[in-house]
Parts: sequence; structure tokens; C-alpha cells
Amino acid sequence: DVKVTQSSRYLVKRTGEKVFLECVQDMDHENMFWYRQDPGLGLRLIYFSYDVKMKEKGDIPEGYSVSREKKERFSLILESASTNQTSMYLCASSFDDRRINEQFFGPGTRLTVL
Amino acid sequence: GQNIDQPTEMTATEGAIVQINCTYQTSGFNGLFWYQQHAGEAPTFLSYNVLDGLEEKGRFSSFLSRSKGYSYLLLKELQMKDSASYLCAVTKAAGNKLTFGGGTRVLVKP
Repeated sequence: DVKVTQSSRYLVKRTGEKVFLECVQDMDHENMFWYRQDPGLGLRLIYFSYDVKMKEKGDIPEGYSVSREKKERFSLILESASTNQTSMYLCASSFDDRRINEQFFGPGTRLTVL
Repeated sequence: GQNIDQPTEMTATEGAIVQINCTYQTSGFNGLFWYQQHAGEAPTFLSYNVLDGLEEKGRFSSFLSRSKGYSYLLLKELQMKDSASYLCAVTKAAGNKLTFGGGTRVLVKP
């Protein structure tokens, strides 16, 4: 079974803090993704990565950065957290070369920025 | 740009059928995914359509019309456990990037 794990289920941080969200997958997937999910807006792509040390901006990258030093790990960084970054953050991973490249999601991290 | 629309909420009775529509306008299209997401849980893959037509998988079927920019997910013989959000997502011609609609929350009543 594919397993995508995220470092925390719930996180509370203060405005201005630096926040790290970690994601690890155990299926040797090439692709990894970070989304945020907000009511009425659905999932929105923040950043994605097709390979180690590679990253590409998604639809809403402002205020975020990412790091992929190892194939299995993809980190999302909030350099200076703000209240509008309070959200559910979901990590996902997928193969790159299959007929159906469905994404497998982690359980999510609910981040509250006070 | 990309625009993906699906209804916000639907209610149906146990044992009935519900059809969740999804319309999309995208610059480039490769295929369409449906995911199920129970409250507080991760989305899980249901189906993927790349060609026109109906794909059936047990109680769930998914339909795609590329020319109309339209898909639907059909849930038959509804069960209480089918109460969840259903997410429509499209992928462009290259790569695995997904763009999601807002999701449809389905409530199954006894």
C-alpha cells in the first residue's frame, strides 16, 4: 500500500514564525505536490516537484517555498507565517510514467496561524 | 486560465442514485480524475477518464465528453458510507499537475 505521511495533523503557530511542513512517501514516486484546501475553494496547488532538487510553482506559491533534497521527502516552508495561511495542507505523490498517474494523498496538516 | 465547476452540495436517500456533474474550461486537457474525500481524511482516487464515454467500476461510474467539457460521477445503490465530498480534477497534456474543482458534498440520508 502506498503511504504518504505528514509530520503533524494539527499545528498552531504565531504570525511571523517560520513553519516547516514535512511530507514523506514510501513508494518511490517521482512526483510530489503540496496543496492547501479551503472551504469553497477546493484544493489549490502551491508547489510541485518532478525530481530531487527540482521544484515548480503551482497556482498559489506566494508566501511559500519548498525543498526536495531526497526523493521520498518534500517540505513546505512558510518563511513568515500569516493569518491568511491558516488552512488544511495536503501533500500528495505520484508516479510519472504510468497510464494512470493518480496522486496519493497524505492525511493533511491543519495549520492555524494566530 | 482554468475553470472547473461542480455543485456545492447534494442530498440523496440511501439506495438511490446520485449524479454529480463537473464542467471544465481549460487551456489544454489530458484527462479527468474523480476523488472521494471523507470529512477529516485524505482524498482517495475513484476514477480517471481520458477518452469519451462511460467507465464503470462497481457502484461508481464516471462519464466524460471532451467536446462538451463535461463529466459526471454516478453513484448507484447509495450507502451511508458514501456521504463524503467528491472532487473533480483535470490534468493538462503534459505532466501530472491537477486542477481541482471546489468539490461536491454528498449527504446520504436514511
